[in-house]
Amino acid sequence: GENVEQHPSTLSVQEGDSAVIKCTYSDSASNYFPWYKQELGKRPQLIIDIRSNVGEKKDQRIAVTLNKTAKHFSLHITETQPEDSAVYFCAASNVLRGGGADGLTFGKGTHLIIQP
Amino acid sequence: DTEVTQTPKHLVMGMTNKKSLKCEQHMGHRAMYWYKQKAKKPPELMFVYSYEKLSINESVPSRFSPECPNSSLLNLHLHALQPEDSALYLCASSQETVLSGELFFGEGSRLTVL
Repeated sequence: GENVEQHPSTLSVQEGDSAVIKCTYSDSASNYFPWYKQELGKRPQLIIDIRSNVGEKKDQRIAVTLNKTAKHFSLHITETQPEDSAVYFCAASNVLRGGGADGLTFGKGTHLIIQP
Repeated sequence: DTEVTQTPKHLVMGMTNKKSLKCEQHMGHRAMYWYKQKAKKPPELMFVYSYEKLSINESVPSRFSPECPNSSLLNLHLHALQPEDSALYLCASSQETVLSGELFFGEGSRLTVL
């Protein structure tokens, strides 16, 4: 099955600086890579996703890049703000198995701390 | 309505009890999921239902029994649980499959097994 590695496990940055979180995946057939943000005591929520037919996607201060050859993808947050403090999970989807629906394989998460 | 609603929010049960977790969505999504999340860990997939049929069971012990009565509802029946089963149980839904887009999570049911 799919295996997703995520680094770093904790990242502390000064408010206003950029943050980068990196993930690698093992299954070359994976073709959907979302990023979820989970604030303390809250549900995970999708912040951005990318499919294997594009190399980069941007949404305001957040961007994701994908390198299919190297099987890694990264989340970039610019001009960080206190409300960016949360745990961020990368994920990858396996190909459909037997025609049924599938679930996501998550990385272990990165605790992003924004220092004022 | 873009909500996935889970009940109860908190549940405490003994190892001999039988209880159920419930999940509901009214977004017309055809795939629904149960995930288990331990503190400071990522969600772990337990079950996937696609068009009300169980399509994936990730080797979950039989003391967890899922049920999908209709396209809007998902239940997780709990019986003879162990203390190590204490966790946050997240329900999620997606339009067709994960490949088609966002996974919408509920707020979770926090389970404590005594």
